[in-house]
Amino acid sequence: DTAVSQTPKYLVTQMGNDKSIKCEQNLGHDTMYWYKQDSKKFLKIMFSYNNKELIINETVPNRFSPKSPDKAHLNLHINSLELGDSAVYFCASSQGGLAKLYEQYFGPGTRLTVT
Amino acid sequence: GNSVTQMEGPVTLSEEAFLTINCTYTATGYPSLFWYVQYPGEGLQLLLKATKADDKGSNKGFEATYRKETTSFHLEKGSVQVSDSAVYFCALTGNQFYFGTGTSLTVIP
Repeated sequence: DTAVSQTPKYLVTQMGNDKSIKCEQNLGHDTMYWYKQDSKKFLKIMFSYNNKELIINETVPNRFSPKSPDKAHLNLHINSLELGDSAVYFCASSQGGLAKLYEQYFGPGTRLTVT
Repeated sequence: GNSVTQMEGPVTLSEEAFLTINCTYTATGYPSLFWYVQYPGEGLQLLLKATKADDKGSNKGFEATYRKETTSFHLEKGSVQVSDSAVYFCALTGNQFYFGTGTSLTVIP
């Protein structure tokens, strides 16, 4: 009965490779997010989708491409991985849309290590 | 624009000590305010929230009061335990979520 799940939990790969991280929520929420957390625990929002529509797209390299096949899923594809992409990536979801957002529920994170 | 400022860590306390983690915010309108906790190796979990001025959120012995006059939402706990060791994030929401930089807390026996 996991609310927000991510796969994989750990991802180790070499520079230049392409990888994907999957996220699913079973809370019936309208809005989903991707965050990047660096080694100092700083959280940076990357993308937000509301009902499969992109609503927030922060300054992120275009090597990162989110895809939302339906309201319950938001996947993150990363092309041409670089050393600086090493971080923990969190998926989250919340009720509401642009007008009003409620608390966010986070997945367990995916630790990406680029060697 | 909206923003959240948290006290910098790390914070180290002895068990049963009193905890305060300061959080101030800048916002237009009437945001909701949150504290999230991140235990080692896990995702963030909602700890408590307050949706309007003078509301007090509380959970697991932690409390925070939404103070509009001082634009603050300080987190407090009267007696911390080793199991409270974690990173704590203050956050606010209006049309987007804004997280603080996080405060690492270590409680030693």
